[in-house]
Amino acid sequence: GAVVSQHPSRVICKSGTSVKIECRSLDFQATTMFWYRQFPKQSLMLMATSNEGSKATYEQGVEKDKFLINHASLTLSTLTVTSAHPEDSSFYICSASRGAPNEKLFFGSGTQLSVL
Amino acid sequence: EDKVVQSPLSLVVHEGDTVTLNCSYEVTNFRSLLWYKQEKKAPTFLFMLTSSGIEKKSGRLSSILDKKELFSILNITATQTGDSAIYLCALFFYNQGGKLIFGQGTELSVKP
Repeated sequence: GAVVSQHPSRVICKSGTSVKIECRSLDFQATTMFWYRQFPKQSLMLMATSNEGSKATYEQGVEKDKFLINHASLTLSTLTVTSAHPEDSSFYICSASRGAPNEKLFFGSGTQLSVL
Repeated sequence: EDKVVQSPLSLVVHEGDTVTLNCSYEVTNFRSLLWYKQEKKAPTFLFMLTSSGIEKKSGRLSSILDKKELFSILNITATQTGDSAIYLCALFFYNQGGKLIFGQGTELSVKP
């Protein structure tokens, strides 16, 4: 089946640094990928829709200048948390579907970000 | 704002019990409602519901959607410790690029 690879799985960084998270579709092309954030004991909150070759669409309340999304190819989307602060510590996870939008979404394994 | 509400938020039961998890929503312009199980990392797909009143079953799990009353339930019979997880329901919006909007989740803990 289709696989979405997400790296790194875990990252610890100092406050003020930037962290890049990669999401790759390994055996299919994904024109659209989604980025979610999940705080402990809470649900997945959609942050943004990443569109290949165009600007990402951010959900209300998500700072586009803080969470930079780049979808330069059909198999790779990156999320960069700029100037990370402890409150950005969270579980970040991406998803993608093969072809046109459909319910068969493949999730990455997630990235646990801890900002000290 | 799209809103998906799950209840209860957490539940502790003993092995062998039957549980019913609820998911209610306020919007109607979605294409399908999905149930996922999340243990540690990525959610695992359980069910996709598009039509009202048709029960989906998979082993001890079953689910149904009521589009008139705007809710769905997930039933788990004869629970096992391996059922311990967070159960998420989500609405799939085809006309918004295929995004999923999740409920808060129900944390189920099954004690031996």
